[in-house]
Amino acid sequence: NAGVTQTPKFRVLKTGQSMTLLCAQDMNHEYMYWYRQDPGMGLRLIHYSVGEGTTAKGEVPDGYNVSRLKKQNFLLGLESAAPSQTSVYFCASSYEDYGYTFGSGTRLTVV
Amino acid sequence: GENVEQHPSTLSVQEGDSAVIKCTYSDSASNYFPWYKQELGKGPQLIIDIRSNVGEKKDQRIAVTLNKTAKHFSLHITETQPEDSAVYFCAASPWRPSGGYNKLIFGAGTRLAVHP
Repeated sequence: NAGVTQTPKFRVLKTGQSMTLLCAQDMNHEYMYWYRQDPGMGLRLIHYSVGEGTTAKGEVPDGYNVSRLKKQNFLLGLESAAPSQTSVYFCASSYEDYGYTFGSGTRLTVV
Repeated sequence: GENVEQHPSTLSVQEGDSAVIKCTYSDSASNYFPWYKQELGKGPQLIIDIRSNVGEKKDQRIAVTLNKTAKHFSLHITETQPEDSAVYFCAASPWRPSGGYNKLIFGAGTRLAVHP
């Protein structure tokens, strides 16, 4: 049972480049989330989804877009990367809105 | 807005000692309080959670206590071991069983080091 799988694990982008982070879960969870983790700031919610075809903004959504075309996948896009988006990104899923299962993270550096 | 404060930010203990991490929340509607452990290079993992209708919950060497009047909750680890070394996050949410999303607000984390 893989749980939550994030790809890629590491990425370096140049300012202005775009990329997509992929999150896949095999637990048939309805809820999926994207967080960013910065030193001393804990986990901050970027976007979330309460079901296939739905998305909503979290605390820090600016500069990111998401899509949930399939129940098992939740994609996070950066259209024009900025150095302020250097962070570790975590995807999580849950059956209801508690008991989150997190992926192992994507370390993104924007230079 | 909603806020969860976590203290201390770092904690160093000797193996076998107890460790206590405290969190204070601002939203009085919060009634679900999970704790996560994050080991180096890994994602956070749920280790214990408590709901507001319970004052204390234990699972082997870990326990969580909740004081709703004071709006704070704590994680207690007894007989600490080197493998307990990690970053611990608390969180709070106004959980409602009827469905819909209830925002989980995380504390900033506590880095626990257990020295042999």
